[in-house]
Amino acid sequence: GQNIDQPTEMTATEGAIVQINCTYQTSGFNGLFWYQQHAGEAPTFLSYNVLDGLEEKGRFSSFLSRSKGYSYLLLKELQMKDSASYLCAVSDSNYQLIWGAGTKLIIKP
Amino acid sequence: IAGITQAPTSQILAAGRRMTLRCTQDMRHNAMYWYRQDLGLGLRLIHYSNTAGTTGKGEVPDGYSVSRANTDDFPLTLASAVPSQTSVYFCASSDSKGTGANVLTFGAGSRLTVL
Repeated sequence: GQNIDQPTEMTATEGAIVQINCTYQTSGFNGLFWYQQHAGEAPTFLSYNVLDGLEEKGRFSSFLSRSKGYSYLLLKELQMKDSASYLCAVSDSNYQLIWGAGTKLIIKP
Repeated sequence: IAGITQAPTSQILAAGRRMTLRCTQDMRHNAMYWYRQDLGLGLRLIHYSNTAGTTGKGEVPDGYSVSRANTDDFPLTLASAVPSQTSVYFCASSDSKGTGANVLTFGAGSRLTVL
């Protein structure tokens, strides 16, 4: 079966760095996405990785290792507004998205 | 403002009633999707449409139907609602080019409670 695993909840301190991991087992791979979802709101796109390595976009970076079925989202200089759920999703061989359950990130002052 | 509009925002429905969730986009995206989001589970695809006039079944299609008469509208119908259909429903669209880089734009969601 297809499976995406990510931690249910993480806590970090304002100004610090946090890494949210995602491991996947899917039938085929056509890219991995990270979305941010604030409570009660719609998911919004953060990043897309299809090749191995690190993609940096401001305070957010996303890493992919296809051989390990592994990705992480790195958030630097955490701000209170970063409190949200972070969703990992993989595009499978049919270009359908398989979603993880999301990681709720709590930022403390 | 360009994007996706969903209606209603929230609805309480008696079991057995028929309900249609509306979704309209103004981005001229070819592909549209309906997902449900339940606590502790990832987004699950109900139905999708790659282009106007075509629809397909997702992971959890039972009890739901869709139509895509034009590019902009993609309504989701529950023919006879059951309590297990209590969920938050998200409509999404993408400018799909048949590649993996298929970024979705989501509507604000419709919270449905079936009693």
